[in-house]
Amino acid sequence: NAGVTQTPKFQVLKTGQSMTLQCAQDMNHNSMYWYRQDPGMGLRLIYYSASEGTTDKGEVPNGYNVSRLNKREFSLRLESAAPSQTSVYFCASSADMNTEAFFGQGTRLTVV
Amino acid sequence: ELKVEQNPLFLSMQEGKNYTIYCNYSTTSDRLYWYRQDPGKSLESLFVLLSNGAVKQEGRLMASLDTKARLSTLHITAAVHDLSATYFCAVGKMNRDDKIIFGKGTRLHILP
Repeated sequence: NAGVTQTPKFQVLKTGQSMTLQCAQDMNHNSMYWYRQDPGMGLRLIYYSASEGTTDKGEVPNGYNVSRLNKREFSLRLESAAPSQTSVYFCASSADMNTEAFFGQGTRLTVV
Repeated sequence: ELKVEQNPLFLSMQEGKNYTIYCNYSTTSDRLYWYRQDPGKSLESLFVLLSNGAVKQEGRLMASLDTKARLSTLHITAAVHDLSATYFCAVGKMNRDDKIIFGKGTRLHILP
């Protein structure tokens, strides 16, 4: 069972470059999320999508955009990467907003 | 606003000892989740607690939920080195349309 799949697993960007992190889930979940994790900061919610067709800002949305492409896929875009966006990014999904979340394997992003 | 506090945030303990991690939350809730994260890995679901008095056990780990005290505990019995990881609790609000809130995590280091 694939669960939640994120691509890529690792990425190095130069300051100012753009990129899109991809996330897909095969559990027919309604809700999807993007988190970043930095040392000592726990998980911080960037954006989420309660259901197909909706997206909302989380705790730290600045510098990011998202697209809920369909029920399965939720992408995160960095338009102009900054060193402060160096982090590990996790995508997650859940059946509904208040239920158990399942996480992807993470993307380790370094911006130089 | 729902706030979730874990303590301790860091714990170093000897193998064979017992210890408890606490997860306090600030508003009424009846669903709580525990996750484990190994270094460099993603979050893995450990326990789902969906009612007052719920208790779940898996090996040397036991989780419980007291909704009246707004408290969940994760108890470790006779710790072994393999349990070294970061443990997160996450709380679901009574509003089922709202996202779950994560604690900052407890980094557990078990000395062999």
